Amino acid sequence: AQSVAQPEDQVNVAEGNPLTVKCTYSVSGNPYLFWYVQYPNRGLQFLLKYITGDNLVKGSYGFEAEFNKSQTSFHLKKPSALVSDSALYFCAVRDLFSYGSGNTGKLIFGQGTTLQVKP
Amino acid sequence: DGGITQSPKYLFRKEGQNVTLSCEQNLNHDAMYWYRQDPGQGLRLIYYSQIVNDFQKGDIAEGYSVSREKKESFPLTVTSAQKNPTAFYLCASSKQGGDSGANVLTFGAGSRLTVL
Repeated sequence: AQSVAQPEDQVNVAEGNPLTVKCTYSVSGNPYLFWYVQYPNRGLQFLLKYITGDNLVKGSYGFEAEFNKSQTSFHLKKPSALVSDSALYFCAVRDLFSYGSGNTGKLIFGQGTTLQVKP
Repeated sequence: DGGITQSPKYLFRKEGQNVTLSCEQNLNHDAMYWYRQDPGQGLRLIYYSQIVNDFQKGDIAEGYSVSREKKESFPLTVTSAQKNPTAFYLCASSKQGGDSGANVLTFGAGSRLTVL
């Protein structure tokens, strides 16, 4: 069964410092991996995805993620954190189980990591 | 601008009552989803629909029902059979076709249901 884990409930970082939010996955076949961000009482916003190709994926708001097949990881990174980056971050993997009409956009989400960036 | 509209934003329900959460999208997406969010548990899939007049159960469908009579609309009913309905409910949509698994989900702003 596909699964994704975010080992840290919360990450604290000072503004201007680099940040990393960790994600590991377990899938059958090639993983499709996603990062989403959620601000308080709002829906999720897409940041970036890895489907194939270059292991370093660049996304919105200066975020990037590195796909590491040997370590089954897809960590989210940013070289210099901003206070406005403080939010809840979700890693997700495509759910391979499909019905009749083939692939779906179903995702399996990790439990989320709260990022706190302090001035 | 295209997007997903969820209503109401906040909803209070007495035990034993059914409530319906609205989800409307104008993105021309074929697929729509309902997720439930609880603190520390991430998002769990309730129901999803790939096409009009068809939908499938997700991981936690018990106590919920949906309909998909129009492409734009995917309402969720939380029935009295749902034992712990207090949660934040998120509706999403995505394109379908081709490698649909690579498609990005667009989310609504959510509906917060509280059972009194």
